[in-house]
Amino acid sequence: AQKVTQAQTEISVVEKEDVTLDCVYETRDTTYYLFWYKQPPSGELVFLIRRNSFDEQNEISGRYSWNFQKSTSSFNFTITASQVVDSAVYFCALSGGLTDSWGKFQFGAGTQVVVTP
Amino acid sequence: GAVVSQHPSRVICKSGTSVKIECRSLDFQATTMFWYRQFPKQSLMLMATSNEGSKATYEQGVEKDKFLINHASLTLSTLTVTSAHPEDSSFYICSASSERERDEQFFGPGTRLTVL
Repeated sequence: AQKVTQAQTEISVVEKEDVTLDCVYETRDTTYYLFWYKQPPSGELVFLIRRNSFDEQNEISGRYSWNFQKSTSSFNFTITASQVVDSAVYFCALSGGLTDSWGKFQFGAGTQVVVTP
Repeated sequence: GAVVSQHPSRVICKSGTSVKIECRSLDFQATTMFWYRQFPKQSLMLMATSNEGSKATYEQGVEKDKFLINHASLTLSTLTVTSAHPEDSSFYICSASSERERDEQFFGPGTRLTVL
């Protein structure tokens, strides 16, 4: 069975502060994919990143960075110098690589980020 | 990236009526589509997987007679909520992938269903 845990329900920060969102996953697949999505109040999911299980390189994209640690089954996400527009719910998700789990997303519970001016 | 659309974006209906939600892949052929449901302030939960030309596979606890899924073409899947009740009010999101790009998933913008 696959499981994604986002232990932080809500994080509130003041603009320009950094915020780190935790994501811990469980899977028996040796090949799998990890994702982060942003969901603003409109509801539409905004794709942020996809990482496969064989690529443990950390990634930086503008103010966003991701830390993938296979040894601890974690895929954490940091927003640097947060802005009000970053306020949204952020979901971590896992998709398996095996035929019967391929394409099926297991989402974490989501973390609400509130950035105040 | 590829585009997936959903129609309608928002629907309000009376209890007992049926509602059809369409999910279309606009610029690629979607061999597989997935349907998710999201209740307010909760996560997305997979409801079913549909493959073009075959019957949908439902997740445990999802009533297949209530949530009818049809994937008759490579660009269209429909979800029909039959005899809708207030507890079916939710945000329904589809995603799609192609045979050529099996590792890519593209999500639709979602449909907000309110049953009065």
